[in-house]
Amino acid sequence: DAGVTQSPTHLIKTRGQQVTLRCSPKSGHDTVSWYQQALGQGPQFIFQYYEEEERQRGNFPDRFSGHQFPNYSSELNVNALLLGDSALYLCASSLVGQGRTGELFFGEGSRLTVL
Amino acid sequence: DAKTTQPPSMDCAEGRAANLPCNHSTISGNEYVYWYRQIHSQGPQYIIHGLKNNETNEMASLIITEDRKSSTLILPHATLRDTAVYYCIVKANFGNEKLTFGTGTRLTIIP
Repeated sequence: DAGVTQSPTHLIKTRGQQVTLRCSPKSGHDTVSWYQQALGQGPQFIFQYYEEEERQRGNFPDRFSGHQFPNYSSELNVNALLLGDSALYLCASSLVGQGRTGELFFGEGSRLTVL
Repeated sequence: DAKTTQPPSMDCAEGRAANLPCNHSTISGNEYVYWYRQIHSQGPQYIIHGLKNNETNEMASLIITEDRKSSTLILPHATLRDTAVYYCIVKANFGNEKLTFGTGTRLTIIP
């Protein structure tokens, strides 16, 4: 049973560029959440997708956008990259209605470095 | 979601029980206590959660005080692989699934 998979694992961009990160949820899961983790900090919630719609959003600017596809996979897009966007980006999946909404399954993350 | 307070770091000898405390004095009646851990360079991993009764699974035990204002995660026989950052999170078990992470406790298992 495949867990949450993310790609790419590492990438380097320059300021002003755009980046797309991808996530495939755990088999059977229908909800995907994205988190940003800066060095030495805990993960911070960016947004969550369910039924191909953004259902909840954290305190992140509109430069951060996402998408969920019919197969439940998801993309995170960041435009006009800033140095401060350098972080580990984590994808987490879950199943709506399972009654344990705090039990998320995380991927290994995509480490983005902005130069 | 209620805020949690954890010590920044702890050490524990290999083979001993590791007891990680968490304060959540503003917890509401419908909020659960969740524990996650993050091993270096990996994504967070769910450990256990509970409402008011003590809970145990194959990974750990969770002890919640009667007033629910604090809890302790217990790793009964710590191994070197338990070295990680441990996060205590409080959230309601319905509605949004957003987890609010603090900075956690960095647990180091000493050989």
